[in-house]
Amino acid sequence: SQTIHQWPATLVQPVGSPLSLECTVEGTSNPNLYWYRQAAGRGLQLLFYSVGIGQISSEVPQNLSASRPQDRQFILSSKKLLLSDSGFYLCAWSGQGASQPQHFGDGTRLSIL
Amino acid sequence: AQSVTQPDIHITVSEGASLELRCNYSYGATPYLFWYVQSPGQGLQLLLKYFSGDTLVQGIKGFEAEFKRSQSSFNLRKPSVHWSDAAEYFCAVGLISGGYNKLIFGAGTRLAVHP
Repeated sequence: SQTIHQWPATLVQPVGSPLSLECTVEGTSNPNLYWYRQAAGRGLQLLFYSVGIGQISSEVPQNLSASRPQDRQFILSSKKLLLSDSGFYLCAWSGQGASQPQHFGDGTRLSIL
Repeated sequence: AQSVTQPDIHITVSEGASLELRCNYSYGATPYLFWYVQSPGQGLQLLLKYFSGDTLVQGIKGFEAEFKRSQSSFNLRKPSVHWSDAAEYFCAVGLISGGYNKLIFGAGTRLAVHP
């Protein structure tokens, strides 16, 4: 069966420090991959999606970037974190097609001090 | 433009009572519809999905949802709520956009369960 792993679960970082969050999927090949951010008490905002290795699309301009170095690996990065980058970050994967649901990881709680 | 509306931000029910969470969507074609649940500090878990066919779909944890095209609704129901059902619930529409399958989420409904 397919599984998705996200780490770390929690992270506290100072303003201006770099960031790297990692997500890996097992049990499937060529998945679509997604990064979402969920601010406290708010819904989900899609940040990035990827339909293949090295193919990244951004939904909103921001201080973050994403990379997909391998088929089932998705990384969210920043060179210099801002206070506004605090939030709950979720990685998800799906198969191809609009009927395919997205399956989410357990998330990373990022706090910027 | 496609959108999903969950009119109720917060709902409180007593344990054992029935539950209905509302979801309305705006989408020109036949929608792919999903309900997800999120416990505090956790990711989203898929409860159920509707693609076509029978308009009443069964999901996990005793939940069901009914697709009503005439009302553009996909309401989630459970006949008897358990304390462990306290969580946030998200309705979503699936569509193809920019070559990938995109989910449009509602803002969520937070469910509290009184003992």
